[in-house]
Amino acid sequence: EAQVTQNPRYLITVTGKKLTVTCSQNMNHEYMSWYRQDPGLGLRQIYYSMNVEVTDKGDVPEGYKVSRKEKRNFPLILESPSPNQTSLYFCASSQGDGHEKLFFGSGTQLSVL
Amino acid sequence: GQNIDQPTEMTATEGAIVQINCTYQTSGFNGLFWYQQHAGEAPTFLSYNVLDGLEEKGRFSSFLSRSKGYSYLLLKELQMKDSASYLCAPMDSNYQLIWGAGTKLIIKP
Repeated sequence: EAQVTQNPRYLITVTGKKLTVTCSQNMNHEYMSWYRQDPGLGLRQIYYSMNVEVTDKGDVPEGYKVSRKEKRNFPLILESPSPNQTSLYFCASSQGDGHEKLFFGSGTQLSVL
Repeated sequence: GQNIDQPTEMTATEGAIVQINCTYQTSGFNGLFWYQQHAGEAPTFLSYNVLDGLEEKGRFSSFLSRSKGYSYLLLKELQMKDSASYLCAPMDSNYQLIWGAGTKLIIKP
């Protein structure tokens, strides 16, 4: 089954404790992206990747890191999480450079205390 | 700047028709997407318009007017499962999606 797998689904952590949210897709998509979604706001892009070893900042990259060492994986790293990073996070992928429809992971609800 | 405007919330009756409007201002334009998002779940693709006019897909149709910076999503024969948020997302000249906050659609029996 074609899918984007994102883990964990829920995560509660404390300020400053490094964490990684994993994202993997099995559709051989070139484009992958991370978004955060907060109440009353549209999806905001954190980072995106056009292909292996190519990553670019989105609209809200501060406090986040990503890597794209393999085509299928695109982890999101929070080196020192802060409470303002409490949010719902989505990983997404698409064929081509992003102008195809996006397939989303099931989301990660992160709470930073 | 780039801006999306869509109603925050709408209410409709089961079996009826509802139209969700979206106006946008973007730096360049490479099409517009509509996504559906049920509460607590991931967005799922509904439609993509790049040329003016109406695209029909079953109970859902999407319309685009590039000159007016306007799109709408039309849902017919509403079902309870259509209760969700509907996200309008035009694509700018850099192929970046600009996301609206979404319209929460509430369906009443």
